[in-house]
Amino acid sequence: DAKTTQPPSMDCAEGRAANLPCNHSTISGNEYVYWYRQIHSQGPQYIIHGLKNNETNEMASLIITEDRKSSTLILPHATLRDTAVYYCIVKSGGSNYKLTFGKGTLLTVNP
Amino acid sequence: SAVISQKPSRDICQRGTSLTIQCQVDSQVTMMFWYRQQPGQSLTLIATANQGSEATYESGFVIDKFPISRPNLTFSTLTVSNMSPEDSSIYLCSVRTDLNEKLFFGSGTQLSVL
Repeated sequence: DAKTTQPPSMDCAEGRAANLPCNHSTISGNEYVYWYRQIHSQGPQYIIHGLKNNETNEMASLIITEDRKSSTLILPHATLRDTAVYYCIVKSGGSNYKLTFGKGTLLTVNP
Repeated sequence: SAVISQKPSRDICQRGTSLTIQCQVDSQVTMMFWYRQQPGQSLTLIATANQGSEATYESGFVIDKFPISRPNLTFSTLTVSNMSPEDSSIYLCSVRTDLNEKLFFGSGTQLSVL
C-alpha cells in the first residue's frame, strides 16, 4: 500500500472550515484514499473514502487531485468536538482488508 | 453499521499474568481484527481473527504471546500472555461488515502492567 504524508498538527477556529491535506504520491490506480479520525480515548471512526472523484457525506468532503497524488479532507464547519487525530490511509480494495495507520494530523479546534 | 462491545474497558495487571479481552459485535461480520496502540503512538495491527481457524499474525506478533480465538461470526478474544510493562497499551477490536469497506472499532481496552 502507498505511503501517506500528513502534517503532524493543525489548528482551526470553531465554525470555520478545516482543510486537512494528505500526500500520497506513490498511489496506484486501484488504491482508495480513506480518512478516519480518533477522538481522545475512543476507537477510530470512519469518515469518508474515495477513488478518484470528489466525495461528500454528512461528515465531510474529500477532494482528490486529478493526478491522485494528494487529497484534502474538508470539515465545512468545525466544532470543538472535531478535535481529534485524523488519519489518511491509502489502501487497495479486496477481501483481505487491513488498514495501516500512520501518525496522522492532530486537529485542534479552538473556540 | 456495527456496534462493538469490548471488555474490560481498562485493567491494571501484574507482571507475568495474562489478560483476556473480549470483543462482541451486534451482528455477524466477515472480518475481525485486533490492533494495539502504544502510549502516544498510532495503531498497529496485531492479527486478523479468522472464524474457525488460526488467526493470521502480522510481523512482530506471535501466537504464544497474543493467542486469539474467534468461535463464531460475532465474537473474538485476544489474550495478552505473560505480561510485562512493555505490553501497557490500548488494545482495539475492529470489524468489517459485508456491505462496505468501512472498518468499525471498539472503544478499546486500556491495559497497564505493573
